[in-house]
Amino acid sequence: EVQLLESGGDLVQSGGSLRLSCAASGFAFSTYAMSWVRQAPGKGLEWVSSISGTDGGTNYADSVKGRFTISRDNSKNTLYLQLNSLRAEDTAVYYCAKAGCTSSTCYLNYLGQGTLVTVSS
Amino acid sequence: DIVMTQSPDSLAVSLGERATINCKSSQSVLHSSNNRNYLAWYQQQPGQPPKLLIYWASTRESGVPDRFSGSGSGTDFTLTISSLQAEDVAVYYCLQYYGAPPGTFGQGTKLEIK
Repeated sequence: EVQLLESGGDLVQSGGSLRLSCAASGFAFSTYAMSWVRQAPGKGLEWVSSISGTDGGTNYADSVKGRFTISRDNSKNTLYLQLNSLRAEDTAVYYCAKAGCTSSTCYLNYLGQGTLVTVSS
Repeated sequence: DIVMTQSPDSLAVSLGERATINCKSSQSVLHSSNNRNYLAWYQQQPGQPPKLLIYWASTRESGVPDRFSGSGSGTDFTLTISSLQAEDVAVYYCLQYYGAPPGTFGQGTKLEIK
């Protein structure tokens, strides 16, 4: 059974930093691309960033490019998201997500329960 | 960037009746190399993370009831619930992953019981 357990969410001041973690189990972690998706309170979904399973290639939404950094440790089956220069509009639940296939372009087939990041101004 | 637009924003359907949600992309998400539409549908029940229902526009995820179906190609897609059940109350999102990663979601459609 796929399990994704996010942690690290907190209340932080505008301009501050935070690191989110996602512990994965139940599948061959290094084989799959992983992503972060966020959802502001009462709003829709935004796919924030992705990292491939093999070569570690990364992609970011324009809204976070240059401020957020995605990384992974395949030896620990863990995904990370470093959030810097945080803004009020970054306030959201951040979901860790697994790709549904091993090709470079794929849907997300499983999302974790999420961790809440609140940025105060 | 590919923009996804869902309609309606909300709808109310009676139990046992059909519910239809539409999703339109600003450019085609049909890949000519494999003839696949890079379009997925998700269900988000209150207080829960999104759950995958449909991928490649019409392939039902394992364990998803067969009352859920997806159709369409190119830029226009539809999610149909053939006979609405109480547990189907949720917000539904389409996702294009043609331009992924990262892909883009529609704004969501809130489905309620009439």
